[in-house]
Amino acid sequence: DTAVSQTPKYLVTQMGNDKSIKCEQNLGHDTMYWYKQDSKKFLKIMFSYNNKELIINETVPNRFSPKSPDKAHLNLHINSLELGDSAVYFCASRSSGNEQFFGPGTRLTVL
Amino acid sequence: AQSVTQPDIHITVSEGASLELRCNYSYGATPYLFWYVQSPGQGLQLLLKYFSGDTLVQGIKGFEAEFKRSQSSFNLRKPSVHWSDAAEYFCAVGAGGAGNMLTFGGGTRLMVKP
Repeated sequence: DTAVSQTPKYLVTQMGNDKSIKCEQNLGHDTMYWYKQDSKKFLKIMFSYNNKELIINETVPNRFSPKSPDKAHLNLHINSLELGDSAVYFCASRSSGNEQFFGPGTRLTVL
Repeated sequence: AQSVTQPDIHITVSEGASLELRCNYSYGATPYLFWYVQSPGQGLQLLLKYFSGDTLVQGIKGFEAEFKRSQSSFNLRKPSVHWSDAAEYFCAVGAGGAGNMLTFGGGTRLMVKP
């Protein structure tokens, strides 16, 4: 009965590859997010997605693209992975009461 | 644009002692304010939030926080710390519009001495 789930939990890949991280929420929320946590634990918003409206943090490279097949899913696709993409990526969803619920994170390591 | 500062990167307290973690924010209007806790290798868990009303808010695990508009602060407190409270604590501010994305502070790592 996990509220926000992510797969995989760990992802190790080579530079230049393309990879996807999946996120699913069973809370019935309309808005979902992707955040990036770097090696210094700093958390930064990447995207907000609500009913097909995508709001992008302007600092996010266009190699990153969120894809939402339906309201319960927001996947993150990354093209041409770089060393600097190594981080923990968190998915979150927002309730009508403006609380955000976070997934367990996906630790991405680019070699 | 909003910003959040957590001045203390690390704090060490003895078990049973009181705790205060500082958070200062910058935002033009009344903000939505949050405190999250992250245990090692885990996701973020919401401790408490402030949207409006009573400026002293109670959260889970015995935590509370006080919103002080004049000081642009939202400090987290706990009267008696337990060893299991050792974790990373993040303060965050959310704007109402623009998808209500959260802006996080840099985090404070809490260590608890036996």
